[in-house]
Amino acid sequence: GQNIDQPTEMTATEGAIVQINCTYQTSGFNGLFWYQQHAGEAPTFLSYNVLDGLEEKGRFSSFLSRSKGYSYLLLKELQMKDSASYLCAVRDSAGYQKVTFGTGTKLQVIP
Amino acid sequence: DAGVTQSPTHLIKTRGQQVTLRCSPKSGHDTVSWYQQALGQGPQFIFQYYEEEERQRGNFPDRFSGHQFPNYSSELNVNALLLGDSALYLCASSLAGGREQYFGPGTRLTVT
Repeated sequence: GQNIDQPTEMTATEGAIVQINCTYQTSGFNGLFWYQQHAGEAPTFLSYNVLDGLEEKGRFSSFLSRSKGYSYLLLKELQMKDSASYLCAVRDSAGYQKVTFGTGTKLQVIP
Repeated sequence: DAGVTQSPTHLIKTRGQQVTLRCSPKSGHDTVSWYQQALGQGPQFIFQYYEEEERQRGNFPDRFSGHQFPNYSSELNVNALLLGDSALYLCASSLAGGREQYFGPGTRLTVT
């Protein structure tokens, strides 16, 4: 099975940088997703990491270390609209690659 | 290019009733997964459909069933509704073996 841990809540200041961590213990690993979810809305795809290292996509970057069971999402130049929940999810390597989600990190951006 | 669509947007049902939710995947996608998301929680995997068959199932009772049609669209059926079934039901589509998975807007189900 999969166990995924993320901080429950974080607060950061507009214009700053914030790092949201995710650790996982899995019986099998194919890749790791990050999603953004605004209150009352569906999750929006941000990234999918398969190999170790940092992948940058505009103001958002995602890092993966498979040996450590660790990932982080880095948000730069924070904007008020970045206030949302950020979900970490792991895709299994076994069978048909079920995706398991963490409970999410609620990020509040303050002026 | 239409993304993932779901219907209805909102639904109110009474305990014991049955409900059917619908999903059309993103163009070019052949795999549909269904999730249940309770308030303040991450999505919980219900099951996944590919080539009209249920490929994998999460820890949900048999009251939850589904179907995939030849055009890849899918339905989620829930029988004998309980109050605890109230949640946001999300459909996600992907291409078998692909890297990305996209969610639809969800159906908010309230059971009274």
